[in-house]
Amino acid sequence: DAGITQSPRHKVTETGTPVTLRCHQTENHRYMYWYRQDPGHGLRLIHYSYGVKDTDKGEVSDGYSVSRSKTEDFLLTLESATSSQTSVYFCAISEGGKPQETQYFGPGTRLLVL
Amino acid sequence: AQTVTQSQPEMSVQEAETVTLSCTYDTSENNYYLFWYKQPPSRQMILVIRQEAYKQQNATENRFSVNFQKAAKSFSLKISDSQLGDTAMYFCAFMKSRGFGNEKLTFGTGTRLTIIP
Repeated sequence: DAGITQSPRHKVTETGTPVTLRCHQTENHRYMYWYRQDPGHGLRLIHYSYGVKDTDKGEVSDGYSVSRSKTEDFLLTLESATSSQTSVYFCAISEGGKPQETQYFGPGTRLLVL
Repeated sequence: AQTVTQSQPEMSVQEAETVTLSCTYDTSENNYYLFWYKQPPSRQMILVIRQEAYKQQNATENRFSVNFQKAAKSFSLKISDSQLGDTAMYFCAFMKSRGFGNEKLTFGTGTRLTIIP
């Protein structure tokens, strides 16, 4: 258990509405990540953060933004949700203070966009 | 770009037997890490085992071991004495080892393993 929580755990929303998912960690890890999981694709990186206010894009970042104003919180925002963003979203941290260390995952958030 | 291929979408095995899950990858990197993650029905992603490419010795964790063939770019997972709790989706994953801060995990599509009582 790497001390990672995600909220909400489940959410149903409508197309066009904004949605924010929260990842919270308790162990002061520097590196945090957002992935999405879809059938046939495994997990794919959306955005990542290497420190407070330091973020960068992953391979599937279109339609998503992130913010990290505190070490412990990494927020993922869907500015205007679309049905293609229906997915399971996982937050991860990189243990050990180095980006190439093992990543540990939160419990996931299931998002359904109608 | 790196790719990870898991060619077995589903597998099943009797309890207490041994099963091997296959994973191949494609990369031009020389230094990297490989991982197996387990995802049970709870959907939690759980690290099973990790291998560092510069280490020739295969990693082991209790009943789980890997067969790492760097030249062949193959990284299979062996589960010995399989248990009902091993029923899960298993993902193979690759990570470059440059230390620039943008390391990401590249995942395969997974193998769904069912342990039969």
